[in-house]
Amino acid sequence: DIQMTQSPSSLSASVGDRVTITCQASQDISNYLNWYQQKPGKAPKLLIYDASNLETGVPSRFSGSGSGTDFTFTISSLQPEDIATYYCQQYDNLFTFGPGTKVDIK
Amino acid sequence: QVQLQESGPGLVKPSQTLSLTCTVSGGSISSGSYYWSWIRQPAGKGLEWIGRIYTSGSTNYNPSLKSRVTISVDTSKNQFSLKLSSVTAADTAVYYCAGLLWGVGYGAFDIWGQGTMVTVSS
Repeated sequence: DIQMTQSPSSLSASVGDRVTITCQASQDISNYLNWYQQKPGKAPKLLIYDASNLETGVPSRFSGSGSGTDFTFTISSLQPEDIATYYCQQYDNLFTFGPGTKVDIK
Repeated sequence: QVQLQESGPGLVKPSQTLSLTCTVSGGSISSGSYYWSWIRQPAGKGLEWIGRIYTSGSTNYNPSLKSRVTISVDTSKNQFSLKLSSVTAADTAVYYCAGLLWGVGYGAFDIWGQGTMVTVSS
């Protein structure tokens, strides 16, 4: 089965900062990767699909890139409402989520 | 707009079977593009995919849970269900039902229920 890792596990940044999260798959998954945002007590929300495509209605400050085994998720200018945990998820072989990255405001 | 709602007991005894139902509203569960999934999340931990079903009845399960999981669908009621047998405290989690939009080169959980907390305890 495919394992997913994320780094960092948590981060603190200031409003307006650029935030970058990385996700690595244990084997080549092409671009079969999605990113989700989960706020406390809420269900996850799809932000990015197929590694780099922005889901409808999601602000353009969110973006994703990568293919193969290495992927990046970026918030270009961190906003207070972006406080959440972010998960990557592969769908090349069944479905596996990364362990998550918790983003806080400094 | 399709919405999902989980229902079922919030407390299950060890060794018993956990049973949850997800009701699909605002659209048909037989929409050709969707598989229907269960995902769980222990408190303070990450997300674990449990399994998925298509309205044809075709299923796939997480290998780590496969021996204990059954997912079924009732298209007449616009519902799908989860049964997890021989539960232990490790199965205590928030359980989400989710819609998996599936196609060539596309597979994302873009519809989620609000989640339901299930505690395994005597």
